[in-house]
Amino acid sequence: GAVVSQHPSRVICKSGTSVKIECRSLDFQATTMFWYRQFPKQSLMLMATSNEGSKATYEQGVEKDKFLINHASLTLSTLTVTSAHPEDSSFYICSAGGGGSGDTEAFFGQGTRLTVV
Amino acid sequence: DAKTTQPTSMDCAEGRAANLPCNHSTISGNEYVYWYRQIHSQGPQYIIHGLKNNETNEMASLIITEDRKSSTLILPHATLRDTAVYYCIVRVTGSQGNLIFGKGTKLSVKP
Repeated sequence: GAVVSQHPSRVICKSGTSVKIECRSLDFQATTMFWYRQFPKQSLMLMATSNEGSKATYEQGVEKDKFLINHASLTLSTLTVTSAHPEDSSFYICSAGGGGSGDTEAFFGQGTRLTVV
Repeated sequence: DAKTTQPTSMDCAEGRAANLPCNHSTISGNEYVYWYRQIHSQGPQYIIHGLKNNETNEMASLIITEDRKSSTLILPHATLRDTAVYYCIVRVTGSQGNLIFGKGTKLSVKP
């Protein structure tokens, strides 16, 4: 199946700094990618939809100025957590594919464990 | 909110079949049922999907009731590596590919 690669898998940063997470579709082009966040013992929550060549769309309650999304090419989307704080510590996951009629599956990256200290 | 309901947790003996149920009573006629699983600290992994016919692949079988209001994911010979959270998701037709995750079922395969 198609592969989505996410990097880094784990990052620790100091409070107030920014962290960039990359999501790449390795063998297909993705005009749309999705970013999810997962807190411990909870399910995945969609944060935003990343659109190639245009602005991302954010889910209600997600601060667009804090979680900057760039989708500059058909194979790469980045999520930058700006001025990170301990409450931003979470598991961030991207996905791509699965669009259209509903008969194709979405593929997920390995996830990025962010710890803000 | 997720359009599916699943038991919170289930246990299964290694080597036995694991049958994971899912209710999706409000499913629309052109919506697919997808199953994913998430092993601890990893991204979700696609398992199988179907519309109304039963489906089988190398990982699992999917049994969808005739009225499509429920389905069962079957892992025929569960192994310890199948321990994970299993998510049953109804896919919104025509969407861009975003999935709405419920709480899923935590399957524990025991020796």
